[in-house]
Formats: sequence, structure tokens, C-alpha cells
Amino acid sequence: GQNIDQPTEMTATEGAIVQINCTYQTSGFNGLFWYQQHAGEAPTFLSYNVLDGLEEKGRFSSFLSRSKGYSYLLLKELQMKDSASYLCAVREGSNYQLIWGAGTKLIIKP
Amino acid sequence: DVKVTQSSRYLVKRTGEKVFLECVQDMDHENMFWYRQDPGLGLRLIYFSYDVKMKEKGDIPEGYSVSREKKERFSLILESASTNQTSMYLCASSSDRGGEKLFFGSGTQLSVL
Repeated sequence: GQNIDQPTEMTATEGAIVQINCTYQTSGFNGLFWYQQHAGEAPTFLSYNVLDGLEEKGRFSSFLSRSKGYSYLLLKELQMKDSASYLCAVREGSNYQLIWGAGTKLIIKP
Repeated sequence: DVKVTQSSRYLVKRTGEKVFLECVQDMDHENMFWYRQDPGLGLRLIYFSYDVKMKEKGDIPEGYSVSREKKERFSLILESASTNQTSMYLCASSSDRGGEKLFFGSGTQLSVL
């Protein structure tokens, strides 16, 4: 069946690096997305991976391994404003529907 | 700035009431979606629409209906609200059929008493 797993909560220190993992089991994989959601706000798009490898965008990078059903979001030089939930979502085939993980709440401490 | 606007930030309704949640986007997007977000669960798709007057069921359509009379507006209707429909409702739009990049509204927190 379809399943996406990510840690419920993580804590990290300002200025440090944190890696948020996402593992998935789906059929006909066709892309993985990361969204950021601050408390009480709308989710906003961060990244999209469809091929294996690392995609870098400033302080944020996203990695995908299709053979392992695994992705991670890497956040560098953490800032207090990075405190948010990070949502992993997978698209199957040409299906419009995304399968969403429950999200990882990231807490940044000074 | 592109924008998806949901008409209410907070709503409190009574069991059995008919509830309308409105969503408007200003990006001329073809695709619009309604999700609900509950603690400990991933976003769940209720209904979506690829075009005006077109609708398709998502994963959890029971107890809901939708209306898309104009391209920019997508309404979610709870025909007879129940307590298990207490949730955060998120509207989203995209310009790609696969929903490659979704733009979300800020959400409506609905409480059904």
C-alpha cells in the first residue's frame, strides 16, 4: 500500500545543520515534494525531485534515492525562522493526487 | 504576489448546519483542490477540479460536495456538518494537472459543536 514516513518532531540549534528524512512505499513513483508550513500559515513549496541525486537551493537541499524509497531535506545555517513543519509528499504515475506524510515539526533553539 | 484566499480563518458551526467554505485564486490556475489537515495525519484530498463546472472525488469525499462555477472560485460544502468534520481545511491551486507546485490558502479552522 501507500505509505510515507517522516519523524514527528526534531530539535536543532541555530546555526547548525539538520537533515529531515522521508521514506515512502508507493507504486509508479513520479516525483517527491517538500513543503514548509509555519504554524497557522499555508504550506509553501520548497523543492521537487524526480531523479536521483541532490538538488540545492541556497540553504536548503533535497536528496532523492528512488531505489531506496528515500529522501531527505537538508537545512544549513539554521535560523530561528526555520522553525516550522516540513511536509513530504509523493506523486504516483500521472495521478494528480499527492500522498502526504504527516509532517516533521522542526524546533530551532538559540 | 500570487494569492489563494479563503473566506474565513475560523468558523464555528453546529451539528447539522450547512457550511460553505469559499476559496478564490488570482493566478488563472486551471486546477483547484480542497484538503483537510488533522494532527498526526498527512493532508487528505477531499475534492479537486480541473476546470470550470468540473469536479472529481479525492480520497475522502463523503459528507462533502463542491462547486466551481467560475475559474477563480472553488467552494466546499458540508451538507450537514458533523463533529468529525472539525478540522483545518486548506484550499490549493496549481497550473499543472499533476499539481506539481501547489499554492495554498491560509486555511479555515472549522469547529463543529
